[in-house]
Amino acid sequence: GDSVTQMEGPVTLSEEAFLTINCTYTATGYPSLFWYVQYPGEGLQLLLKATKADDKGSNKGFEATYRKETTSFHLEKGSVQVSDSAVYFCALSSRGATNKLIFGTGTLLAVQP
Amino acid sequence: DAGVIQSPRHEVTEMGQEVTLRCKPISGHDYLFWYRQTMMRGLELLIYFNNNVPIDDSGMPEDRFSAKMPNASFSTLKIQPSEPRDSAVYFCASSRTVGTEAFFGQGTRLTVV
Repeated sequence: GDSVTQMEGPVTLSEEAFLTINCTYTATGYPSLFWYVQYPGEGLQLLLKATKADDKGSNKGFEATYRKETTSFHLEKGSVQVSDSAVYFCALSSRGATNKLIFGTGTLLAVQP
Repeated sequence: DAGVIQSPRHEVTEMGQEVTLRCKPISGHDYLFWYRQTMMRGLELLIYFNNNVPIDDSGMPEDRFSAKMPNASFSTLKIQPSEPRDSAVYFCASSRTVGTEAFFGQGTRLTVV
């Protein structure tokens, strides 16, 4: 079945460092792909999305490109801030019969000043 | 729109008691999802509805769990009887249609003692 695999955390970075969180997926057909962020004590918020191959989603300095050939959707940011500390979830929404929204296990990012 | 609204935000109950969690999705959204989040298992999809009809309940852990969606603006997740291992944060989310992003509520933190 459809699934999402993302890198284990925690990821600890210094402020202004470059961030990459890897995400790969398995799906039949062409799913939509998402990154969500969860701050402590809150629900998940959509960070960015891409709906077809080669699309680039971007928001708040974060970017991710839908790579069909490598079935990947890696999250990147050029310069992280302390306020970016949160848990990041990669997710896919299949377009097949199930239409499920499936999440990866989440990656905790801790940014130190 | 006020977003997805969940109630209560916190619930503490004794083992064996019935617990009912409530969700009001965003108006016009056709899909409603119930998730459970724990440290051990991450974010698990319990059940989802399309146009008020349950589509996939394969994630519901056992018969003690049940979910209903009597109309487009209301859903409940019931646990009867509750057990300490049910302690978790339960999220409700809704999405407009297939392949689109889901919007999450703030969650209900359930503690069963």
